[in-house]
Amino acid sequence: NAGVTQTPKFQVLKTGQSMTLQCAQDMNHEYMSWYRQDPGMGLRLIHYSVGAGITDQGEVPNGYNVSRSTTEDFPLRLLSAAPSQTSVYFCASSYSRILTGELFFGEGSRLTVL
Amino acid sequence: AQTVTQSQPEMSVQEAETVTLSCTYDTSENNYYLFWYKQPPSRQMILVIRQEAYKQQNATENRFSVNFQKAAKSFSLKISDSQLGDTAMYFCAFMKPGDDKIIFGKGTRLHILP
Repeated sequence: NAGVTQTPKFQVLKTGQSMTLQCAQDMNHEYMSWYRQDPGMGLRLIHYSVGAGITDQGEVPNGYNVSRSTTEDFPLRLLSAAPSQTSVYFCASSYSRILTGELFFGEGSRLTVL
Repeated sequence: AQTVTQSQPEMSVQEAETVTLSCTYDTSENNYYLFWYKQPPSRQMILVIRQEAYKQQNATENRFSVNFQKAAKSFSLKISDSQLGDTAMYFCAFMKPGDDKIIFGKGTRLHILP
């Protein structure tokens, strides 16, 4: 049972480049989300989805796009990377569309934007 | 808007000692959930313990227990008989039932010293 899988684990981008962080879960979870973790800032919610075809913004959505075409996948797209997007990104899922609080996290993706 | 505050950025204790991590929160809601999540070095974040605000009894999971003071809006985590494997970043988190978002504090980095 793989759980929540994120790829890539590390990525270096130049300012203005675009990329997609992949997130896949094999637990048939309805709820999926993306957080970023920055020193001294904790975890901040970027976007989330309560099911296929449904997405919504979190606390810090600017500069990021998401889509949820399947239950399993929830990719995060950076359209034009900026140094302020240097961070560690975590994908997390929960088994219920109605969030109960237990999130299952991926191992994280460390992104550096030069 | 709800906020979660962890006033201790970093702590160190000797193995086998008891340590308490502090968390306060601000909300006008009467019913909500509180959580402690653990993020070990280079490993996935996991849920440690969960407390429902309508329950007066403090939650306990083996060596982990909470001191939930609803009136004071305080939710501290006590780790008894601390072990080297308890070394991690600990996040306090808040969720309102029916909401799709979990709000995390900035975290406390805990070092268990041999």
